[in-house]
Amino acid sequence: SFDLTQPPSVSVSPGQTARITCSGDSLPKEYVYWFQQKPGQAPLLVIYKDTERPAGVPERFSASTSGTIVTLTITGAQAEDEADYYCQSGGSGGLHVFGPGTKVTVL
Amino acid sequence: VQLVESGGGVVQPGRSLRLSCAASGFTFSHHGMHWVRQAPGKGLEWVAMIWYDGSSQYYADSVRGRFSISRDNAKDTLYLELNSLRAEDTAVYHCAGGVNGTSAFDLWGQGTMVTVSS
Repeated sequence: SFDLTQPPSVSVSPGQTARITCSGDSLPKEYVYWFQQKPGQAPLLVIYKDTERPAGVPERFSASTSGTIVTLTITGAQAEDEADYYCQSGGSGGLHVFGPGTKVTVL
Repeated sequence: VQLVESGGGVVQPGRSLRLSCAASGFTFSHHGMHWVRQAPGKGLEWVAMIWYDGSSQYYADSVRGRFSISRDNAKDTLYLELNSLRAEDTAVYHCAGGVNGTSAFDLWGQGTMVTVSS
């Protein structure tokens, strides 16, 4: 198995930029995916294959990669972006892993 | 297009439980499927995965040897058999699948709660 690391929390003012990192030794070899989860709801995919944004996800969500670190960026954060964010990787060999999650607070 | 889980409940340690996940709105037999759990107040934990045809299964270390994932493509249903349950298995169990070609987890059910307690 392999581990992913995320900061427990990130705070951002409305309209400002939030950056959430995810690190892991396997990341240069595996795609990374990002999920948003609001209280009482199922997770929602916001980024796939490192940097791609699914249809319907606002353009303020983007991602980048640099070696063993990937970064989810919310540009112009809005109140509705307050949620937990999880990175996820794996798949080769059938095994998957989620990061521990980052709570994003917009205040 | 949806996934609906059922079968959760309160169960004593050491006992067993079977969860079901009914799929609709897509060709279930074409897609690999997963179970992901979330303990109260905790993060997401991948539990198990099964190939589209059921020919291969993979498990997290924490459940390997105790849980069993299976599927019935004729019934469009995914299952998770939970055996030798422990308090630390208490969680909401979500089924999820890669339906749209973007991610292995681009479709999620709302989950079913399993509580292991004496």
